[in-house]
This record gives sequence, C-alpha cells and structure tokens, in this order.
Amino acid sequence: NAGVTQTPKFQVLKTGQSMTLQCAQDMNHEYMSWYRQDPGMGLRLIHYSVGAGITDQGEVPNGYNVSRSTTEDFPLRLLSAAPSQTSVYFCASSSRTGGDTEAFFGQGTRLTVV
Amino acid sequence: AQSVSQHNHHVILSEAASLELGCNYSYGGTVNLFWYVQYPGQHLQLLLKYFSGDPLVKGIKGFEAEFIKSKFSFNLRKPSVQWSDTAEYFCAVNLPSGTYKYIFGTGTRLKVLA
Repeated sequence: NAGVTQTPKFQVLKTGQSMTLQCAQDMNHEYMSWYRQDPGMGLRLIHYSVGAGITDQGEVPNGYNVSRSTTEDFPLRLLSAAPSQTSVYFCASSSRTGGDTEAFFGQGTRLTVV
Repeated sequence: AQSVSQHNHHVILSEAASLELGCNYSYGGTVNLFWYVQYPGQHLQLLLKYFSGDPLVKGIKGFEAEFIKSKFSFNLRKPSVQWSDTAEYFCAVNLPSGTYKYIFGTGTRLKVLA
C-alpha cells in the first residue's frame, strides 16, 4: 500500500520558472491538502480539496495553483517561482467518512528557488 | 480564527528524563486532536490522536497525551525518553464538521542526549 506519494523529492528552480509538484494517494481519500513547512513556522496550509473538482485556498495560497480532476491526484503548480517559495512541501490526505480524520503525509518535496 | 500554540520551541533532555510538551488550542467547539512526529529528513507520522472518550490517550513508542477540555490543552508526555526520540513534534487540531482542515502548531524540536 503506497499511501501518499510525492514527486519529486528534491528540486532546484530559477526565479521565474514554473513547475508542478505531484501528489497521488491510493487510499480513496476525499480530502487532500498541500502544506509548506518553514523553520519556526510549523506547517501552513496552501490549498486543499474536499473532493474531485472542488478546491479552496488555505492560509498561504498566493503564487500557487491546484486542481483536482481525480480523487487520486492533487498537483500543486508554482506559476512563477520566487525565492520566498523555498521550502519543504508536504501533501496530505484523509478520509471524511467514519469520523477518523487522521491525515497521512507524503515524504515531502524540498524546493529551492535561486 | 482557530490556532494552536506550542510554547516549547526547543527542548534538550538527557536519556531517561521525562518529557512533557505543551499544546494549547483556541476553539470553543468540538475538535479532534493529534500529535505528529517528524524524524530528521522524514515525513510526518502520527503519534496519537484524540477524537472522543477517555481523555488520556496512549500512542506509539510509549507516548501519551491528556486532553483537558477546560484548559484547551493536549499535552504530550513520555516517562523516559530515548536518543531515538530526537525529532520535531507537532500538535494539530481539526474540526469534525466542515472542511476537515488541519491547523498545526509551530512545532517543538526535541534533542535527546545519549
């Protein structure tokens, strides 16, 4: 059981470049989300989705886009990378059913924007 | 807005010492509570969770946490830490109803000296 899979694990971008961070889960979870982790700031929610075709902004959405065309996939797009987006990005998924809303996390993507 | 506070940002202990990490949240309604651990270079893993019932929750690796509703607290404890407990610990809440968004604290870095 793969759980939540993120690719790539490491990425270096130049300022202004665009890229997509991939996230896939095989647990049929309705809820998926993207967080960024920065030292001393914990995890901050970027965007989330409560099901295919439904997305919404989190705490720090600027500079990022998401889409949810399938239950399994939730890619995060950086439109024009900036040094302030240097961070570690985590994708998470959880189920809305059964009252058990434990979040499962991917391995993370360490992004450096130069 | 809901928030989670972890007052200890860095903790250094010797092996066999007892551990207590504080977590307070600000929300007047029903919440689900979690402690996640992140070992160096790894993703977040669930330590324990509280949804309802016995306010003393036992998790993996000898950790436990106590939910005190009147104090809006969910402190993490371990009677005797080991070197392998060196990690960053995150407290998180989410709301049982609505969008299932998670709100994380800023984390506590624990270093255990052998």
